[in-house]
Amino acid sequence: GQSLEQPSEVTAVEGAIVQINCTYQTSGFYGLSWYQQHDGGAPTFLSYNALDGLEETGRFSSFLSRSDSYGYLLLQELQMKDSASYFCAVPLTGTASKLTFGTGTRLQVTL
Amino acid sequence: EAQVTQNPRYLITVTGKKLTVTCSQNMNHEYMSWYRQDPGLGLRQIYYSMNVEVTDKGDVPEGYKVSRKEKRNFPLILESPSPNQTSLYFCASSIPTGLKSGELFFGEGSRLTVL
Repeated sequence: GQSLEQPSEVTAVEGAIVQINCTYQTSGFYGLSWYQQHDGGAPTFLSYNALDGLEETGRFSSFLSRSDSYGYLLLQELQMKDSASYFCAVPLTGTASKLTFGTGTRLQVTL
Repeated sequence: EAQVTQNPRYLITVTGKKLTVTCSQNMNHEYMSWYRQDPGLGLRQIYYSMNVEVTDKGDVPEGYKVSRKEKRNFPLILESPSPNQTSLYFCASSIPTGLKSGELFFGEGSRLTVL
């Protein structure tokens, strides 16, 4: 099976940097995705890491270490609009017919 | 505009009254799927379809049916809804290469309450 663990909540100040961690257990592995979901909204794809290292997209970066079964999402220059839930996810190996999601990390950005 | 459209967005119904949640995508995606989201449980897959006339069960298919007669549409059917199907439902779509890179396009969600 597949399972992913994330912290349930993180709080950070506007303008700061925050890191959201994700550890996973899978029988095979394609890569690690990240999604953002605002309250009442749809999950929105942020990034995907297939290889070890850091991928940067504007204020957001995502890191993967395959040997440690670990990844994180890094949000810089936090803004109030970044307050949302963030999910890591892995595709099912083989058919990739399913994304298995972590239970999500709720980020609260404060003034 | 590329999008996945779900209807209804909100629905309150009673136990046993059949209902259908429609999902339509305009991106010509082969893959479509339904997820439900519950507090503390994250997103769990109900059913998926790799292409027209090809559907299969996800992790929590009990009490649900789907069909894929056309590429763009993937309705979710609750034949006899029960209160434990009260949830937020999301339809998603993707292309095959997008699946392996973990990229799904989600609809805006349908909040269903079964009394």
